[in-house]
Amino acid sequence: KAGVTQTPRYLIKTRGQQVTLSCSPISGHRSVSWYQQTPGQGLQFLFEYFSETQRNKGNFPGRFSGRQFSNSRSEMNVSTLELGDSALYLCASSSLRAPGELFFGEGSRLTVL
Amino acid sequence: KQEVTQIPAALSVPEGENLVLNCSFTDSAIYNLQWFRQDPGKGLTSLLLIQSSQREQTSGRLNASLDKSSGRSTLYIAASQPGDSATYLCAVRILEGGNTPLVFGKGTRLSVIA
Repeated sequence: KAGVTQTPRYLIKTRGQQVTLSCSPISGHRSVSWYQQTPGQGLQFLFEYFSETQRNKGNFPGRFSGRQFSNSRSEMNVSTLELGDSALYLCASSSLRAPGELFFGEGSRLTVL
Repeated sequence: KQEVTQIPAALSVPEGENLVLNCSFTDSAIYNLQWFRQDPGKGLTSLLLIQSSQREQTSGRLNASLDKSSGRSTLYIAASQPGDSATYLCAVRILEGGNTPLVFGKGTRLSVIA
């Protein structure tokens, strides 16, 4: 059974650009969550989607947005990139049978220059 | 606001030693607690999940305990090996139907020396 797949794994952008990250959950999982990990702040919750609807949102500016498609794949977008957006962006999925247990992908490492 | 603390931030032990990693949380009304392992530059691997009604979970050389009343969890690693070297993260989900985000600690970076 394939795990959570995130693409791209690494990317470099410059300030002011925008970026889109993709996440494919484990087959059958309908909930997808996104987290940002930085050395200073640790892991912080961005948002969660279930059946194409945003169910929860963390305390991040509006430049961070996301969406989920009918096949449960999710994307997150960051517009007008800032240096502080450099981080590892992690996606996690969970199933209805075990809603409290998250399975994470390898992450997308974003560097903003 | 739920806060999760992990002490120590870093730990170095010789191979073969048994060790305990600590996690504390401020609000005892949790839905569950999950321990993860993270290797450098990688994603998180789920190790153990303890539901709020449980006191402990075991998987191989790992044992995690949960004491909600005191707001504490421990991860016990028996007979440590160099391959156990990684950062261990503790995360709690607060009690609101289970559909709430995980709150993570900053992690304990473990080094097992051969």
